[in-house]
Amino acid sequence: DSGVTQTPKHLITATGQRVTLRCSPRSGDLSVYWYQQSLDQGLQFLIQYYNGEERAKGNILERFSAQQFPDLHSELNLSSLELGDSALYFCASSPDRGSQFFGPGTRLTVL
Amino acid sequence: GESVGLHLPTLSVQEGDNSIINCAYSNSASDYFIWYKQESGKGPQFIIDIRSNMDKRQGQRVTVLLNKTVKHLSLQIAATQPGDSAVYFCAESAGGYQKVTFGTGTKLQVIP
Repeated sequence: DSGVTQTPKHLITATGQRVTLRCSPRSGDLSVYWYQQSLDQGLQFLIQYYNGEERAKGNILERFSAQQFPDLHSELNLSSLELGDSALYFCASSPDRGSQFFGPGTRLTVL
Repeated sequence: GESVGLHLPTLSVQEGDNSIINCAYSNSASDYFIWYKQESGKGPQFIIDIRSNMDKRQGQRVTVLLNKTVKHLSLQIAATQPGDSAVYFCAESAGGYQKVTFGTGTKLQVIP
């Protein structure tokens, strides 16, 4: 158990819908990272937050957004969902300069 | 286009033998490298890391080697066990361990 929690574990929705994925980092970790893992794309970095502020951005679509709250939990919002958004979404946390600890992931299926 | 599964290179190793998983990185500015292990249905798990000012680092049963000249990273697992079967990812980061870029992964199969 990495200490990072993610909810929900599974999510099934329809094209065009909007969903919110939630992540609680390890106690004391200020950085939260979001990744997408799909069969044909491997593990793709989406975005990083540090203590509430966006720090780094990767291959995140404009339809996706994220935020980190004062209690350091983070949410990833995915809107106007397409079939190709079906994937595993992982959250990871770390101290400012340290190894990343991954959560168990949320499996999103868009029908 | 048609979507196909990511074809991962596979390394098959006899139980008890040593495993060597290789990774080539592309960014010469990367200064931090990490190896992760991902078991089926789980999130990646940190194994070991190394900074660019080192060329070798050892952990428990694992050793990471870094060759900056040829931009090559390797993970050596001693006395490979069935529990080591997983997909192994190398990752690189430049500039203070912020954005991390993952490699495509290598699947390790341990033959009992």
